[in-house]
Amino acid sequence: RKEVEQDPGPFNVPEGATVAFNCTYSNSASQSFFWYRQDCRKEPKLLMSVYSSGNEDGRFTAQLNRASQYISLLIRDSKLSDSATYLCVVNCGSSASKIIFGSGTRLSIRP
Amino acid sequence: DAGVIQSPRHEVTEMGQEVTLRCKPISGHDYLFWYRQTMMRGLELLIYFNNNVPIDDSGMPEDRFSAKMPNASFSTLKIQPSEPRDSAVYFCASSRDRMSYEQYFGPGTRLTVT
Repeated sequence: RKEVEQDPGPFNVPEGATVAFNCTYSNSASQSFFWYRQDCRKEPKLLMSVYSSGNEDGRFTAQLNRASQYISLLIRDSKLSDSATYLCVVNCGSSASKIIFGSGTRLSIRP
Repeated sequence: DAGVIQSPRHEVTEMGQEVTLRCKPISGHDYLFWYRQTMMRGLELLIYFNNNVPIDDSGMPEDRFSAKMPNASFSTLKIQPSEPRDSAVYFCASSRDRMSYEQYFGPGTRLTVT
């Protein structure tokens, strides 16, 4: 089993829709969690950190479920500009070398 | 504030040649990471530095790869000799926060070895 797993997609949804994707992790001792966004042929960019209590940034909501070992990203009122690959990132240990990137979920928003 | 700077942005070289990739992290960031991204393997951590000291190089594929960080504002990743299977996008990232390691990536170097 991979340490961090994501549904590769693609998710193809209409503009204005709400879309959500999950990411599961295998190490119960994982300490920090993030969502990154990567546009085609660009670098990954930090979208948001994921806190235990959940957090929201505009149309984006991230949640952590430690019991089931997954994090989620919800995008409301999706825009064409949200089309990208979303990478789940988990720090599986106390060292930076334990930061594991998921393979990404590809999202495509259609007009 | 400038982000992470990488050079060159594109590199095409022949098998057997030496390749040097360069990175300037964000000022004040104590951590620097080198990653490689391919379609098949995704984003892989090669090595990371803390305060210019290499901490973990277990991701470096083999002895052909080496990385240095002579000062807080400069790092290099060298491949010698290069092989076609080294073709990938190489990203440098830096981080300030040692607790959460929020990372900021450079634009990457797209390496093609023919």
